[in-house]
Amino acid sequence: DGGITQSPKYLFRKEGQNVTLSCEQNLNHDAMYWYRQDPGQGLRLIYYSQIVNDFQKGDIAEGYSVSREKKESFPLTVTSAQKNPTAFYLCASSIVSSGNTIYFGEGSWLTVV
Amino acid sequence: SQQGEEDPQALSIQEGENATMNCSYKTSINNLQWYRQNSGRGLVHLILIRSNEREKHSGRLRVTLDTSKKSSSLLITASRAADTASYFCATGTGNQFYFGTGTSLTVIP
Repeated sequence: DGGITQSPKYLFRKEGQNVTLSCEQNLNHDAMYWYRQDPGQGLRLIYYSQIVNDFQKGDIAEGYSVSREKKESFPLTVTSAQKNPTAFYLCASSIVSSGNTIYFGEGSWLTVV
Repeated sequence: SQQGEEDPQALSIQEGENATMNCSYKTSINNLQWYRQNSGRGLVHLILIRSNEREKHSGRLRVTLDTSKKSSSLLITASRAADTASYFCATGTGNQFYFGTGTSLTVIP
């Protein structure tokens, strides 16, 4: 099936640890995105990438890092510098054109313990 | 921030009634999209309206766009319990998408 796969669905992080969330898409989309969603809130853009080996910071990039070595993959690392990482993380992708639709994965819940 | 805002934040209606939610945004846009999110899940695309369009229909959904007021509305007609979800508007310029804060809709059977 075509789509976006995020893993793991649930992840627990200890204080001071880095964790990496996986995002893979088989839709042949050039653009990929990471959003953060806090309970009862909207989505905030962390990072986005329009092409392999290139990515841009969104509104809340501090404490996060990404890579885009392959078209299909856009992993997000939540570093120990992110002081409040407990949230729901959503990966998305789209074609690169005006008026395009963005497709989402099922999300990953990250909790700091 | 370019984030839009939906209004109301929460809406509760009886099954069969119509539900209307609004979105206001701040900057010029190429298009505006509405998405639905069931609790704890990813977002699902519902409908896209371009900046040169004023109204668009898709099944029980009707979307309007007023670029002079920088606002859009989503109407769900003859609501069903399965429509219970959060609804978000997203504005796009190029390949950046900015989402509103969402309207939480509860449809009571």
